[in-house]
Amino acid sequence: NAGVMQNPRHLVRRRGQEARLRCSPMKGHSHVYWYRQLPEEGLKFMVYLQKENIIDESGMPKERFSAEFPKEGPSILRIQQVVRGDSAAYFCASSPPNRGLTEAFFGQGTRLTVV
Amino acid sequence: KNEVEQSPQNLTAQEGEFITINCSYSVGISALHWLQQHPGGGIVSLFMLSSGKKKHGRLIATINIQEKHSSLHITASHPRDSAVYICAVFPGIGEYGNKLVFGAGTILRVKS
Repeated sequence: NAGVMQNPRHLVRRRGQEARLRCSPMKGHSHVYWYRQLPEEGLKFMVYLQKENIIDESGMPKERFSAEFPKEGPSILRIQQVVRGDSAAYFCASSPPNRGLTEAFFGQGTRLTVV
Repeated sequence: KNEVEQSPQNLTAQEGEFITINCSYSVGISALHWLQQHPGGGIVSLFMLSSGKKKHGRLIATINIQEKHSSLHITASHPRDSAVYICAVFPGIGEYGNKLVFGAGTILRVKS
């Protein structure tokens, strides 16, 4: 049973380009959480998704950021028209249904660098 | 005020020393996680606690629900234990319901 898989591990984008970050949860996990870690800062919640539903996006910036978790395939965090301030490590965690975050498994993260 | 406070922020130890990292929280919780992050690395979940004590190898984690406090202990510390240790709580209900609330982390450096 593979762990939470994130790809790419490292992503470099020029200002104005789009960034797509992917997260495949552990087998049997239907809940996905995205967190952002800015340089020299702690982890901050961005969005919580279940299959085909956004449950809580209160941590997402209002513009340029979107997330989805389709019925088939990985969860995608999409950042449009990236700016230098988007440079950060983005982590995904998954948990099984009906357990909330009493069980949570994290991916290796995607390190986004905007040049 | 942060809902999750960790201490110390930075810790330098000699190899072999016993290490304690503390976490205090102000919200009611369903679970508490201790996480480890190596520089430039991913996040590894070390423990999930809802009560009592857990041990894994040289690592021990305890939680006191009444006092809203948890500790992570490392026995016989080794340079490879050098990492950031993060306490995160899962309230389960209320304002933070379905989110993990993170402490700022403790940067541990173990010197040989």
